Amino acid sequence: EVQLVESGGGLVKPGESLRLSCAASGFTFKEAWMSWVRQAPGKGLEWVGLIAGNSSGGTTDYAAPVKGRFTISRDDSQNTLSLQMNSLKSEDTAVYYCLTTGGGLWGQGKLVTVSS
Amino acid sequence: DVVVTQSPLSLPVTLGQPASISCRSSQSLVSSDGNTYLNWFHQRPGRSPRRLINKVSNRDSGVPDRFSGSGSGTDFTLKISRVEAEDVGTYYCMQSSHSSSFGQGTKLEIK
Repeated sequence: EVQLVESGGGLVKPGESLRLSCAASGFTFKEAWMSWVRQAPGKGLEWVGLIAGNSSGGTTDYAAPVKGRFTISRDDSQNTLSLQMNSLKSEDTAVYYCLTTGGGLWGQGKLVTVSS
Repeated sequence: DVVVTQSPLSLPVTLGQPASISCRSSQSLVSSDGNTYLNWFHQRPGRSPRRLINKVSNRDSGVPDRFSGSGSGTDFTLKISRVEAEDVGTYYCMQSSHSSSFGQGTKLEIK
């Protein structure tokens, strides 16, 4: 089955770190450009960043609000995408989705809450 | 950064009537490879978004033909020919020609 399944998430304090993972199956992951998108409670969708596929060198790109704090990586041997989030702020509270970069396939989303 | 602006933000529609959502970008979405990466999504509360239209006008598999996308350059439109009850929710356009960015969303409700 073609799917993306996120794990991780939860409640952290401001300034702390958290890592989200996304397990891919049913498609050729290593060539897929992958992205993270988030949605704060009651708000719209916000693009977080992307990582290119293997043949495109795995380069990354980030939205301004997370640049320097978030890191996207991939393990093509495990078909896994990761989002390392450091120096978390209250405004990072959101449901985080992994998806293929064109948006054709989305995970179910994981809630990250940053609160003291 | 490319700013994507949707209108209207709220769209009350009578069942069976047409609906139209506009999406405008701050710069041309023609990519360096010649493609225009403008996609449309539908999201119901508590659910992951579902892509309806890719690259301006290509309907995704399983999407009813009452949905259509059009446009070019900086100006794009999603049209629903006859709104059905299952179409309620929020619609987003997303560009991925220059990094990525989303419109603010358009909430469609039945009058």
